[in-house]
Amino acid sequence: AQTVTQSQPEMSVQEAETVTLSCTYDTSENNYYLFWYKQPPSRQMILVIRQEAYKQQNATENRFSVNFQKAAKSFSLKISDSQLGDTAMYFCAFMTTDSWGKLQFGAGTQVVVTP
Amino acid sequence: SAVISQKPSRDICQRGTSLTIQCQVDSQVTMMFWYRQQPGQSLTLIATANQGSEATYESGFVIDKFPISRPNLTFSTLTVSNMSPEDSSIYLCSVEDGYSSSYNEQFFGPGTRLTVL
Repeated sequence: AQTVTQSQPEMSVQEAETVTLSCTYDTSENNYYLFWYKQPPSRQMILVIRQEAYKQQNATENRFSVNFQKAAKSFSLKISDSQLGDTAMYFCAFMTTDSWGKLQFGAGTQVVVTP
Repeated sequence: SAVISQKPSRDICQRGTSLTIQCQVDSQVTMMFWYRQQPGQSLTLIATANQGSEATYESGFVIDKFPISRPNLTFSTLTVSNMSPEDSSIYLCSVEDGYSSSYNEQFFGPGTRLTVL
């Protein structure tokens, strides 16, 4: 069974600053995907970024980037130039390639961006 | 990308009653999923809704409590049966859009906020 751990319940960051969210996971699988989802107060789940485990290059998506350390089973998210609209709950999620759509989520990290 | 709608968006129900939540997708999708998000918690997968066959339930969830229908490739329902206050949660429909995406991507509906009194 896979587990996803997010050890930071809440993070606060000022506008334009950078914040890094941590995520670790445990699996015996070799082929899998990792995701960061954002859930603003509207509760709509929005995909922020995804990483295929077989890719060594870290994924980036505009101001969002990940640091994927496969050996350490670590998958952190960096939000650069934080904006007020980034205020949301951020969930790390894991999915094996033979279980499409079956996401295992971490507990979430509440990010608050302050002016 | 797939656009998903859910009905109702929220409801307040009495214990012992049942509520059926609808999930409609604007395109045909192979796989649909139902998640539960209890207050202040993360998302937990309830089941996979398969078109033309019975739903596949995750550990801790049973068909009698959460019957699911999937009559076609764009629609699914989740029923929360014989509700108790512990069923108060947000229920989210999710689809894996393998038809239109260059790579499979997971989309979520806006959720149904259920409160059981």
